[in-house]
Amino acid sequence: GEDVEQSLFLSVREGDSSVINCTYTDSSSTYLYWYKQEPGAGLQLLTYIFSNMDMKQDQRLTVLLNKKDKHLSLRIADTQTGDSAIYFCALENSGNTPLVFGKGTRLSVIA
Amino acid sequence: GAVVSQHPSRVICKSGTSVKIECRSLDFQATTMFWYRQFPKKSLMLMATSNEGSKATYEQGVEKDKFLINHASLTLSTLTVTSAHPEDSSFYICSARRGATGDQPQHFGDGTRLSIL
Repeated sequence: GEDVEQSLFLSVREGDSSVINCTYTDSSSTYLYWYKQEPGAGLQLLTYIFSNMDMKQDQRLTVLLNKKDKHLSLRIADTQTGDSAIYFCALENSGNTPLVFGKGTRLSVIA
Repeated sequence: GAVVSQHPSRVICKSGTSVKIECRSLDFQATTMFWYRQFPKKSLMLMATSNEGSKATYEQGVEKDKFLINHASLTLSTLTVTSAHPEDSSFYICSARRGATGDQPQHFGDGTRLSIL
């Protein structure tokens, strides 16, 4: 089955850019998502990208997809203390199937 | 945008109690919803796929008689943890997608934190 890997921790200074990385094994992954989870809360969809795209930008968020290397990244520009949370990358092979999640990256923003 | 509502947000109850968690799609119909479980500081594990009008599909290792899923309408799926025990304490999250194809992302409820004493 699909294996999704993320680094567990990332610490950045307020105002810097954060880059959260995700690697996966199943090249048939069609839909790739980034979710944010704050303490005690559910998952908030941040952004998503289809496998026929290489890059997607939405305000401070930039998603890059390298299908050859099976690598997905999320860049947060001008990181703020409110961005401190756990970020999950999740992949899906086809429509209406369950997502396969990475273990999550805990982002800590230092003021 | 699409919104998924999950209730209750937190439950604390005694061992042996049955607990029902509701997952509603507020502004769209969802033929399929998913139930996940999250242990502390861990990722989400899929428990089951809830299908409107038919039986749920459970993942390996998930007891279907323990975790009863009912998807009675296109906007509501329920998860009932029967005769809950302390080891059932966890964070339960549901998700749903508008439509059957993947051009819409899955949206998650805010989760239910279940604590069994």
